Amino acid sequence: RKEVEQDPGPFNVPEGATVAFNCTYSNSASQSFFWYRQDCRKEPKLLMSVYSSGNEDGRFTAQLNRASQYISLLIRDSKLSDSATYLCAVNKAAGNKLTFGGGTRVLVKP
Amino acid sequence: GAGVSQSPSNKVTEKGKDVELRCDPISGHTALYWYRQRLGQGLEFLIYFQGNSAPDKSGLPSDRFSAERTGESVSTLTIQRTQQEDSAVYLCASSPPFGDTSMNTEAFFGQGTRLTVV
Repeated sequence: RKEVEQDPGPFNVPEGATVAFNCTYSNSASQSFFWYRQDCRKEPKLLMSVYSSGNEDGRFTAQLNRASQYISLLIRDSKLSDSATYLCAVNKAAGNKLTFGGGTRVLVKP
Repeated sequence: GAGVSQSPSNKVTEKGKDVELRCDPISGHTALYWYRQRLGQGLEFLIYFQGNSAPDKSGLPSDRFSAERTGESVSTLTIQRTQQEDSAVYLCASSPPFGDTSMNTEAFFGQGTRLTVV
């Protein structure tokens, strides 16, 4: 089993709709969680950190479920510009590497 | 510069030649990562540095690949006797020390080196 897994998609989303997807991690000792966005032929860029209590940044909401070992990202009122690949990343502890999932592709269509 | 810098941005090389890719991380970042990304694929982990040591090099695909880091700064990824399957974008990322006040260990990526082996 991979350390960090994501549904590769694509998720085809009508403009204005809500889309949500998860990222599961295998190590219960994981401590830090992040969502990155990667546009075609560009480097990944941090979208948001994921905090234990859940957090929101505009139309984006991230949540952590430690019991079931997954994080989620919800995008409300999807825009065409939200089309991208969304990567989750997990860090176990100090001195450990940040591990990325394979990414979930989201396509927002008019 | 404020970000992670990689050079060259593009490299075309002949099969069998050696190539060196360079990464300048953000100043003060102790962790440095190398990833490979083939067209349309996800990030493939290659190697992770903490300071100048590499506690995890499990992703290096063969002994043709090696990497080093000096002065807790610049890192070079060397590919010897390049093959066509080595063609990909090689991404470098760095992150600050774990456990600072903000607990931020997110990685910041460079723009990558696009390697084409012909």
